[in-house]
Amino acid sequence: EPEVTQTPSHQVTQMGQEVILRCVPISNHLYFYWYRQILGQKVEFLVSFYNNEISEKSEIFDDQFSVERPDGSNFTLKIRSTKLEDSAMYFCASRVASTSTDTQYFGPGTRLTVL
Amino acid sequence: AQSVTQPDIHITVSEGASLELRCNYSYGATPYLFWYVQSPGQGLQLLLKYFSGDTLVQGIKGFEAEFKRSQSSFNLRKPSVHWSDAAEYFCAVGARSGSARQLTFGSGTQLTVLP
Repeated sequence: EPEVTQTPSHQVTQMGQEVILRCVPISNHLYFYWYRQILGQKVEFLVSFYNNEISEKSEIFDDQFSVERPDGSNFTLKIRSTKLEDSAMYFCASRVASTSTDTQYFGPGTRLTVL
Repeated sequence: AQSVTQPDIHITVSEGASLELRCNYSYGATPYLFWYVQSPGQGLQLLLKYFSGDTLVQGIKGFEAEFKRSQSSFNLRKPSVHWSDAAEYFCAVGARSGSARQLTFGSGTQLTVLP
């Protein structure tokens, strides 16, 4: 069964450094998402991406964040200058987008630790 | 704004016992509703979803959920719990407006299963 994959599984970085989290969505999916979960808190929506542009973003997704689909398979989340409060589990998700009711499939997550 | 409340942070049941996990939502119209499960080190796996029609929804692994509009609830049930059901369970509501259909999650309920 096709899966969303994410790399790395765990990333440790110093405050102020740039990080890029990578995701490979399911191949025929057209809508891509990033969510995050700070330890002990809810899973929160960050951004959705469709047709090579951002379709929705939350107030969390400020200028420090960017997303890109650099090729036909990868979908990346870049944090330009990491802060301690960016430490969280980041989930990528994708959906087919053939109907309005199709399902989002999630990857296993990348745990980001900012020191 | 839409929101989801899962009032039980942690539930412990014995193997073979029945299970009900509570979920209440706030949304201005008929919502899209989901239950996801997260096992340690795994991504979020969809258990079941409700979009319209029959308010009793069957999912994978023997789970079911019932949408009750009058109570703004979407409780998850299983008649007989297995040890492998130990995991964290998330209720989510999906946006009906806009094309992104981003999800708003509850805080999750951690399920422990005793032998």
